[in-house]
Amino acid sequence: GENVEQHPSTLSVQEGDSAVIKCTYSDSASNYFPWYKQELGKRPQLIIDIRSNVGEKKDQRIAVTLNKTAKHFSLHITETQPEDSAVYFCAAVTSGTYKYIFGTGTRLKVLA
Amino acid sequence: KAGVTQTPRYLIKTRGQQVTLSCSPISGHRSVSWYQQTPGQGLQFLFEYFSETQRNKGNFPGRFSGRQFSNSRSEMNVSTLELGDSALYLCASSFTFESTGELFFGEGSRLTVL
Repeated sequence: GENVEQHPSTLSVQEGDSAVIKCTYSDSASNYFPWYKQELGKRPQLIIDIRSNVGEKKDQRIAVTLNKTAKHFSLHITETQPEDSAVYFCAAVTSGTYKYIFGTGTRLKVLA
Repeated sequence: KAGVTQTPRYLIKTRGQQVTLSCSPISGHRSVSWYQQTPGQGLQFLFEYFSETQRNKGNFPGRFSGRQFSNSRSEMNVSTLELGDSALYLCASSFTFESTGELFFGEGSRLTVL
């Protein structure tokens, strides 16, 4: 069945450093790849997404890259701040299936 | 605009009981999906509804069921509860017909099965 693997499961970085979270998906027909951030005790919220016709997308300190050949996409956060501490989930979606396949999450801790 | 509302927020049940969770989507959103969140397993897809029709279902046993009403509100039911059903159940709504759009999540219903 469809699967998304996400690594690492936990990540600690010093404030100001960069953080990278990687996901690999199994369904080659997947064409939409969102990233959600879930702060402690709160609901997941979309932070950035990318579609299969684009290789990279940036939004201020956040960027996502997609390698369709390798079925691999990554989240990059630069100049990390304490408020970036949260659990991040990647997902892969295939049009017409109406379901998100989420990774198992990465707990990011930004140390001040 | 009000966000996605889930009720109840917390509930405790015993094994063998059944539970019904409710979700009111953002006004105008017709797609509602449900996810089970457990530590280490992330968010696992339960089912998705659009205009009262279930369009897809995840790999959960038949004890998990759902429905959507004409006003887009949705409910999910879990019968014959097991200890392993303890989890945070998240509902999400979306405006687009296609699934490739932003999901707006509710705060979840935390179910504890004793």
